[in-house]
Amino acid sequence: DVKVTQSSRYLVKRTGEKVFLECVQDMDHENMFWYRQDPGLGLRLIYFSYDVKMKEKGDIPEGYSVSREKKERFSLILESASTNQTSMYLCASIHSATNEKLFFGSGTQLSVL
Amino acid sequence: SQKIEQNSEALNIQEGKTATLTCNYTNYSPAYLQWYRQDPGRGPVFLLLIRENEKEKRKERLKVTFDTTLKQSLFHITASQPADSATYLCALPYGGSQGNLIFGKGTKLSVKP
Repeated sequence: DVKVTQSSRYLVKRTGEKVFLECVQDMDHENMFWYRQDPGLGLRLIYFSYDVKMKEKGDIPEGYSVSREKKERFSLILESASTNQTSMYLCASIHSATNEKLFFGSGTQLSVL
Repeated sequence: SQKIEQNSEALNIQEGKTATLTCNYTNYSPAYLQWYRQDPGRGPVFLLLIRENEKEKRKERLKVTFDTTLKQSLFHITASQPADSATYLCALPYGGSQGNLIFGKGTKLSVKP
């Protein structure tokens, strides 16, 4: 089975800190995604990547950046964390040939105080 | 832009009954539609995909229909069990595909013994 691993389940950070959320997948998927999920708002796409060193903005990229130096790893960076970035962050990957079923990590619940 | 609506935030049913969840979309008909299950504190897990030329798809106790005229998909769980309690999300491709999905906000299903 495909495994998408997010480095932390829970994270507490202070306002203004730089935060790194790491995601690794083990199935050689080309496409990787970062979503955030908030009550009443559902899943919203932050950034995605189709290939190494390639990135595209999703629907809510403001305040975030990403890094994809290796195919299996996709990092989400909060340059200066703010309280409105408190959320559940979900990483996902998909094989570009099938393009159909997303595999998600277990999520990182980030609290910014 | 494409909008996707799951018209019930929550659905409570008795064990053994059939649960029916609804997903409506507003604009173009997608090439396929997907359903995911999400348990609390976890990432979504893929359940079923139905294509635009398929009227119905089944997997064990799950059945999905896709009506492109009504712009609607129905998701049924027959002989429901307490273990089916979860949030169910529908999702459509958008933005040139390659795995980009727009998700509904989900319906939280509770199955009472």
